[in-house]
Formats: sequence, structure tokens, C-alpha cells
Amino acid sequence: AQSVSQHNHHVILSEAASLELGCNYSYGGTVNLFWYVQYPGQHLQLLLKYFSGDPLVKGIKGFEAEFIKSKFSFNLRKPSVQWSDTAEYFCAVKGGKLIFGQGTELSVKP
Amino acid sequence: DAGITQSPRYKITETGRQVTLMCHQTWSHSYMFWYRQDLGHGLRLIYYSAAADITDKGEVPDGYVVSRSKTENFPLTLESATRSQTSVYFCASSESWNSGTEAFFGQGTRLTVV
Repeated sequence: AQSVSQHNHHVILSEAASLELGCNYSYGGTVNLFWYVQYPGQHLQLLLKYFSGDPLVKGIKGFEAEFIKSKFSFNLRKPSVQWSDTAEYFCAVKGGKLIFGQGTELSVKP
Repeated sequence: DAGITQSPRYKITETGRQVTLMCHQTWSHSYMFWYRQDLGHGLRLIYYSAAADITDKGEVPDGYVVSRSKTENFPLTLESATRSQTSVYFCASSESWNSGTEAFFGQGTRLTVV
């Protein structure tokens, strides 16, 4: 069965710290991978996506993610977070269905 | 503005009542989805649709019914609402399944079942 797992439920960082959020999935076929962000009280917005080619993808607001096929992982990174990055982050996998992880709440202290 | 809209934005209903959440998109996207968002569970797929008159179950379909008679609309019905269905419901649409096309989300409907 298709599934997505995000390892970190709540991450607290200070401004300028580096960020890495883990995402692992299980699915036997070809996948498209996504990271979405949800700011407080808002709907989900796309940060970045991978479907083929270079496994290192860059998204909006300085975020990037690396697809490691052998590890079934798609971790999200940002070298230096800002207070405005405070939000909930969701990893999603499109295989047979479009399935989301449990989400990671990121709190950035000014 | 073109996009995906959900109605109502907020709804309070009583246990046992039938309630329908509406979703409308103006892009003529083939795929549409319904998710519920609950603390600790992230977004869970309820139902999805690949085209008009084609629907399929997601991860948590029990207690819900969907229909898709027109491409642009994808209503979600709770046949007999229960307190466990108190949640925020998001509708989404996607142009196609391949080539990394992403899903676009509506603003959500906050449903409270009392």
C-alpha cells in the first residue's frame, strides 16, 4: 500500500538556523513528489516538486529537496530559516493516489 | 477570480444530519480530491475523481459519499454526520496525473458536528 511518513512532528528553530525535514514513502511504482506549506489559517500551497531529472529540486523562498530513490526519501532543506517560515509543511506522494504525510509544524523564533 | 472554491467555509451541524460540502473549480481540471485535516493525522484522502462520473475511494471513505456529474463540481456528502467527522475539509484539483502536475487547494471548510 502507498504511504508517506514525516519523521518530525514539531521542529523549533531560531532564525538563521538550517532546516531539514524528513520524508519517506512506500510505493512500488513511479512517483511524483511534492512539498506543500500551510501558513496559519490558510490553504496548502506548493513549495516544490519532483517528477523526473535532477533529483535536487529548488522551490520557492529558498527551499530545496533531494530525491534519493534508493532510500525512498524526499527531504526538504533550507540553509537559513526566517521567522516568516513558521508554518506546517506537508510531504506528498503521487503514485496510485495523491497521499500526504502527517505534517511537520515548524516554529521559528525571532 | 478563476480557481477552486469551497462552500460553506464554516458549518455546524448536529449528529445524524446529512450535510453536503461543495467544491467548484474553474480550470476544467480532470482530477479532483477531498481531504480531511486533523491534528496528528495530516491530510487524509477521502475520495478522488479522475473525471466526470469516475470516482474512487481514498484512505478514509467510510461515512462519506461523492458524486461528479460535471467536471467542475465535486460535492462531498456526509450521509449521517458523527462527531468523529468534525474536521477541516479541503478540496483540491489537478490538471492531469503525469509530469508532476500539482494539486491546487481550496480554502477549506471547517465542519463541526455537535
